Amino acid sequence: EVQLVESGGGLVQPGGSLRLSCAASGFTFSNYWMHWVRQAPGKGLVWVSRINTDESSTTYADSVKGRFTISRDNAKNALYLQMDSLRAEDTAVYYCARDVTYCLSTGCQRGPFDIWGQGTMVTVSS
Amino acid sequence: DIQMTQSPSTLSASVGDRVTITCRASQSISSWLAWYQQKPGKAPKLLIYKASSLESGVPSRFSGSGSGTEFTLTISSLQPDDFATYYCQQYNTWTFGQGTKVEIK
Repeated sequence: EVQLVESGGGLVQPGGSLRLSCAASGFTFSNYWMHWVRQAPGKGLVWVSRINTDESSTTYADSVKGRFTISRDNAKNALYLQMDSLRAEDTAVYYCARDVTYCLSTGCQRGPFDIWGQGTMVTVSS
Repeated sequence: DIQMTQSPSTLSASVGDRVTITCRASQSISSWLAWYQQKPGKAPKLLIYKASSLESGVPSRFSGSGSGTEFTLTISSLQPDDFATYYCQQYNTWTFGQGTKVEIK
């Protein structure tokens, strides 16, 4: 079964750090771009970050740039999000998602997010 | 940055109704648009990609159309399982719309 399972969420004080993990199974993880998306309580979906297949390219939303770091370990089929200098407004459910973009030597054919994890809650509060 | 604007924010409808949700992009995104369904406490589910392609396993009552800056998601005959929040997303730089909640009338 194709599956993504997030972990690592919890309660952290403002200014603190947290590392989220996303375990992938049922597919060849190293072939896919991966993303983090978050959703504050009662609010909509907000894209956070993206990483390509070999970690050579990462992208961040302006709201987290310089504070969050996305990474992956293809040998362990795992995606990570290191979150530093956390703020109250970072409180949200964090989802990892698989991107079906594929790239050839001539360029990339963009794709949507076809598989999502169940989410992990991050609460930033004193 | 590309902004995505959905309308309406909330929609009240009855089982069997035809429902249409609109999504507008602040600049052309060609057909790089997806629609997702989300139920409370659950992860989003992909319904439509490339503006009008139906994801495998999604009922045919869901359809998408549009290109450039204006897109629509249509549910031809609303079913009880369809009451949920729907999001559009441009996947050039991955921005989501603010969501449309479909409620029971």
